Amino acid sequence: GENVEQHPSTLSVQEGDSAVIKCTYSDSASNYFPWYKQELGKRPQLIIDIRSNVGEKKDQRIAVTLNKTAKHFSLHITETQPEDSAVYFCAASKGDSNYQLIWGAGTKLIIKP
Amino acid sequence: DAGVIQSPRHEVTEMGQEVTLRCKPISGHNSLFWYRQTMMRGLELLIYFNNNVPIDDSGMPEDRFSAKMPNASFSTLKIQPSEPRDSAVYFCASTRGGEQFFGPGTRLTVL
Repeated sequence: GENVEQHPSTLSVQEGDSAVIKCTYSDSASNYFPWYKQELGKRPQLIIDIRSNVGEKKDQRIAVTLNKTAKHFSLHITETQPEDSAVYFCAASKGDSNYQLIWGAGTKLIIKP
Repeated sequence: DAGVIQSPRHEVTEMGQEVTLRCKPISGHNSLFWYRQTMMRGLELLIYFNNNVPIDDSGMPEDRFSAKMPNASFSTLKIQPSEPRDSAVYFCASTRGGEQFFGPGTRLTVL
């Protein structure tokens, strides 16, 4: 069935450095790829998303890239700050549905001062 | 809009008791999701409604779990009887396509 794999499970970076989290998906019909951030004790919240007709999207220090041929997408955070510490989840739409998402297992990002 | 509303925020109950979790989606959203989150299993989709109709309940663990959506503004997730392994944070989320908006979650502890 549909599957989304996310790596690494934990990522520790020095404050100010960049962080990259990678996901691969199995369903070639997937066309929507969101990234969610979940701070400790809080709900997951969307930080950026990309659709299959776009290869890259940027929002200030955050960017997402998509390679449809290889079926993988990545989250890039530049100039990391302490408030970036959280668990990040990638997801891919199930088939061509605009509703149901298949979720990655999450990456715990730790920003070291 | 107040966002997705869930109640209760915290629930502590004893094994064998019935538990009912409630969710009010964002007005105008036509899809609703129930998720369960634990350290061991991560974020799991339990059931998904579209226009109040259950579309995919393959994630419901067993017959002890049931969910209803009697109208566009209300859904319940019921566990009967509850067991200690049901302890988790249960999230409700809604969407009208694209971004899913999560509620604050219900932290369930079954003793």
